[in-house]
Amino acid sequence: GESVGLHLPTLSVQEGDNSIINCAYSNSASDYFIWYKQESGKGPQFIIDIRSNMDKRQGQRVTVLLNKTVKHLSLQIAATQPGDSAVYFCAETNQAGTALIFGKGTTLSVSS
Amino acid sequence: DADVTQTPRNRITKTGKRIMLECSQTKGHDRMYWYRQDPGLGLRLIYYSFDVKDINKGEISDGYSVSRQAQAKFSLSLESAIPNQTALYFCATSDFFSPQSGRTYEQYFGPGTRLTVT
Repeated sequence: GESVGLHLPTLSVQEGDNSIINCAYSNSASDYFIWYKQESGKGPQFIIDIRSNMDKRQGQRVTVLLNKTVKHLSLQIAATQPGDSAVYFCAETNQAGTALIFGKGTTLSVSS
Repeated sequence: DADVTQTPRNRITKTGKRIMLECSQTKGHDRMYWYRQDPGLGLRLIYYSFDVKDINKGEISDGYSVSRQAQAKFSLSLESAIPNQTALYFCATSDFFSPQSGRTYEQYFGPGTRLTVT
């Protein structure tokens, strides 16, 4: 069935370090992936997306890498800041392309 | 003002009660969604609607129903609440998804409703 998962439920880093959050997906037919950030007490917010015809996409301080061979997605955050502390979700489109399937989330904690 | 609003923000109810959660949006999107979030399980899709006349079941629709009263309003009902429906509920909206034309599938989420069923 369709499912999206993450390797680690929690990640702790020091301020200024680079963070890498990983996600594995099972549907090899998925053609669109998206990362969301959820801060405490708020709804998820869009960070960055990537289509399956790309391997890498960069945003402001964030980079998403897609490895279709091993069905792996990662989010890299450069120079992590305390404000980056949140739960990060990866998501992929379902087979019909009508909805998003979310992974279970990784909690990123940034210490000063 | 927030683009996506949910009411109530918090609700405690008893087993067997009927409860409705409401969602309104000012983004002008046709597509609206209801998700449930439980600790360690991420977000799971309950129902989604692509327009007023189009309602679709998601991954976990049993025990829930929805109503799309207008383009801007999408409500979720629990006809007879049970304790395992205790969760955080999110409404979201999105524009038409077309990766081929470069449009993202960004969904805009409301602040959530924390529901407790005792």
